[in-house]
Amino acid sequence: DIVLTQSPTTMAASPGEKVTLTCRASSSVSYMNWYQQKPGASPKLWIYGTSKLASGVPNRFSGSGSGTSYSLIISSMETEDIATYYCQQCCSTPNTFGAGTKLELK
Amino acid sequence: EVQLVESGGGLVQPGRSLKLSCLASGFTFSNYGMNWIRQAPGKGLEWVASISSSSSYIYYADTVKGRFTISRDNAKNTLYLQMTSLRSEDTALYYCAKRSRDSYALYWYFDFWGPGTMVTVSS
Repeated sequence: DIVLTQSPTTMAASPGEKVTLTCRASSSVSYMNWYQQKPGASPKLWIYGTSKLASGVPNRFSGSGSGTSYSLIISSMETEDIATYYCQQCCSTPNTFGAGTKLELK
Repeated sequence: EVQLVESGGGLVQPGRSLKLSCLASGFTFSNYGMNWIRQAPGKGLEWVASISSSSSYIYYADTVKGRFTISRDNAKNTLYLQMTSLRSEDTALYYCAKRSRDSYALYWYFDFWGPGTMVTVSS
């Protein structure tokens, strides 16, 4: 099974700050997906196919990476971005998720 | 508008069974693979099971293999999860999620999720 390790586990960012969340895979994956989950809500598809933004996702978000290292980047942190972000590898079963990065406001 | 609505959760004793349902609307249900994904209280996401559009391909997480059965009724636009021999570690919010693929079938993703149904396994 492919294990996904997200870092950091928790981070605090100030409004306007650039934020980088990382997801590392135990073996190479072709693409990565990301989900945003706010407290009490279901996860939402956020980024798919490594770099494609889901419908309604602000363009301050971007995704990049290849092989075993992937990133979700927020160019300028906003209050509404407070959430937990999960990566998920796209292409082999079991469909593993990372443990999540909780993004807080500094 | 895509809607997924889970039902069937509740409090159940260890060793007992429970059947979850997920009613889908707003898309052609029979064209898409579907999944069950769960989240234990305060924890992360764990994929549980998947089923292809025609039920030809079915997969399970090792943690539930042999105890859970995923199925679907395309005529009723409904996904199911039959859970048997339930354990305390199965306590979680169970989400049903629609799976989509990119145009070239190079990767898939879960593009819509229901609100979830809570399963609590406790004596």
